[in-house]
Amino acid sequence: EIVLTQSPGTLSLSPGERATLSCRASQSVSSSYLAWYQQKPGQAPRLLIYGASSRATGIPDRFSGSGSGTDFTLTISRLEPEDFAVYYCQQYGSSLTFGQGTKVEIK
Amino acid sequence: QVQLVQSGAEVKKPGASVKVSCKASGYTFTGYYMHWVRQAPGQGLEWMGWINPNSGGTNYAQKFQGRVTMTRDTSISTAYMELSRLRSDDTAVYYCARFYDSSGYPPYYFDYWGQGTLVTVSS
Repeated sequence: EIVLTQSPGTLSLSPGERATLSCRASQSVSSSYLAWYQQKPGQAPRLLIYGASSRATGIPDRFSGSGSGTDFTLTISRLEPEDFAVYYCQQYGSSLTFGQGTKVEIK
Repeated sequence: QVQLVQSGAEVKKPGASVKVSCKASGYTFTGYYMHWVRQAPGQGLEWMGWINPNSGGTNYAQKFQGRVTMTRDTSISTAYMELSRLRSDDTAVYYCARFYDSSGYPPYYFDYWGQGTLVTVSS
């Protein structure tokens, strides 16, 4: 099973700042199998990025994904108030796993 | 528009079983695999497995094998997840999620989610 490790666990930032979230895989993951989700309290996760770097429909361009192999990054260029949430990476190789999440909180 | 509507919250005793439903609308139910993901209070997302609504074929995460059963009723576009021999650590919100692929090829991702069903296991 591929383990996804997200860092940091919590990111404390102010609106307007840049957020950089990391997702590291225990084995190489095809970029096509890597996705990012946003989850707010009491809500289901929402797809942000698929194929490591493609934005889902309706996702603002301040969200971007990059990376390959074992290292992937989600970047939020300028945090808006509605972006404070928990973010998960997910892969589907031989099995499906999620990272443990990164919480982006208001500083 | 695509919607996944799940059944309501459940309270169960340890050792019992629970069956959660997920009714799909707005798309061809048999055209997309349905996965189940759970989230314990304050914890992350945990994948449980999938069902192919077309064939009824299933694939379960190793952790849940022997305790989980995923079924579907194509006549009413509904998927079900039954978890047996419940324990207190099965207390969680259970989500169904539609799995997107491009005619069986990547990229792979969950594009629609149900609203979640809280299952509480308590004596």
